Amino acid sequence: SYVLTQPPSVSVAPGQTARITCGGNNLGRKSVHWYQQKPGQAPVLVVYEDSDRPSGIPERFSGSNSLNTATLTISRVEAGDEADYYCQVWDSASDVVFGGGTKLTVL
Amino acid sequence: QVQLQESGPGLVKPSQTLSLTCTVSGGSVSGGDYYWNWIRQPAGKGLEWIGRIYASGNTNYNPSLNGRATISADASKNHFSLRLSSVTAADTAVYFCASSDVGTTEIDSWGQGTLVTVSS
Repeated sequence: SYVLTQPPSVSVAPGQTARITCGGNNLGRKSVHWYQQKPGQAPVLVVYEDSDRPSGIPERFSGSNSLNTATLTISRVEAGDEADYYCQVWDSASDVVFGGGTKLTVL
Repeated sequence: QVQLQESGPGLVKPSQTLSLTCTVSGGSVSGGDYYWNWIRQPAGKGLEWIGRIYASGNTNYNPSLNGRATISADASKNHFSLRLSSVTAADTAVYFCASSDVGTTEIDSWGQGTLVTVSS
């Protein structure tokens, strides 16, 4: 089965840039999606197809994907960005696959 | 924008069958525009895709569930359902219903989630 690997936690000071990675075999050949989940809430799609943003998502959220690593970048981090972030792909053998999630802490 | 709402018992006994329903508004479960998904999340853990149903009745499931999951849809009530058989404590989780546009692989609408506890 296809596996996506994320760091358990990332910490960043307000106003700085947070980078959350997602690793997988030949991940650059797949479309990667990112979700933000705050405590007690459903996930929200923040980036889809590697780098596109749904309407209503701030431009501070961006994504990239190359080789074996996809990255969610959050610029000018705010306290309200503190959440768990999950990457997700579709794989022909495993279907929908989520990464293990990364807890973003705003210091 | 599709809106989804889960409903069902919050407590299920071990070895019994968990049954949940997702009521849809803003889209049709039989319309062919969306995939209708179930996803779960144990407390403090990550997201696990359970399966999906498409308008034609075609279904796909996570193999890790070993055939215990069944997803069906009722066009007359515009809802879709999950049945998970032979549950154990490991099936205790928040269960989300969610939708994705046909032709895409991201999940763009989610219900609020419902907690199901497996305990005697």
